[in-house]
Amino acid sequence: EDKVVQSPLSLVVHEGDTVTLNCSYEVTNFRSLLWYKQEKKAPTFLFMLTSSGIEKKSGRLSSILDKKELFSILNITATQTGDSAIYLCAVGRGNKLVFGAGTILRVKS
Amino acid sequence: DAGVIQSPRHEVTEMGQEVTLRCKPISGHDYLFWYRQTMMRGLELLIYFNNNVPIDDSGMPEDRFSAKMPNASFSTLKIQPSEPRDSAVYFCASSFRAEASGELFFGEGSRLTVL
Repeated sequence: EDKVVQSPLSLVVHEGDTVTLNCSYEVTNFRSLLWYKQEKKAPTFLFMLTSSGIEKKSGRLSSILDKKELFSILNITATQTGDSAIYLCAVGRGNKLVFGAGTILRVKS
Repeated sequence: DAGVIQSPRHEVTEMGQEVTLRCKPISGHDYLFWYRQTMMRGLELLIYFNNNVPIDDSGMPEDRFSAKMPNASFSTLKIQPSEPRDSAVYFCASSFRAEASGELFFGEGSRLTVL
C-alpha cells in the first residue's frame, strides 16, 4: 500500500527560527513529489520535485528530494507568523497524488 | 481565470438526507479530482476524471457516494443517504497536465456537517 509519512505532526517555533519538515514515502510508480501550504482554506502549491539532489527555492522556502532514500525535506528560514499553516507533502503515483497527513506549523511572535 | 469553484461552501444537514456538492474546474483542465479532508485521515482521494470519464473511483468509501461529470465544466459529488461520519471538508481540484502527477489547483472546499 502506498504510504506518505510526514514528521513532525506539529511544531511550534518562534519568529526567526529555521524549521525543517520531513516527508518519507513508499509509492509504486513514483512520478513526482509536491509540497503544499494550507492555511484556512485550500492547499496552495509550493514546489514540485522530480529529480534527486536539485534544490528548489522560493524566497525563504527551499526543498530537496532524495529518490534513493525516498524522502524530501522542506526548509523554512527566518520564519514569520504568516508561515503558520499545515504543510502537506504529496507524491505523484501514476495519474494521482497521494497526500501525507501534514505538519502543523505554528510560528509565535 | 476564477479558479476552481465549489458550492456550497458550507452545508449542515441531518443524517439520512441527500447531499450534492458541485464543482466547476478551471477551463482547459482535463483532470478533475474529488478529495475529502478530515483530521483523522487527512486528504483522501475519492475519485478522479480525465476528459469527463471516471478513471479511478477506488477511494469512494461506499455505494452511498457517487460522482458525475456530465461535461468539461461541471462535476457533482452526491452522498445519499448521508451519515455523521461523512462530516468533512470536500475539495475539488483540477489539473491540465497530461500526466496528472503535477500541480493540482484546489477549490476552497465544501465543509459538510451531518448531524
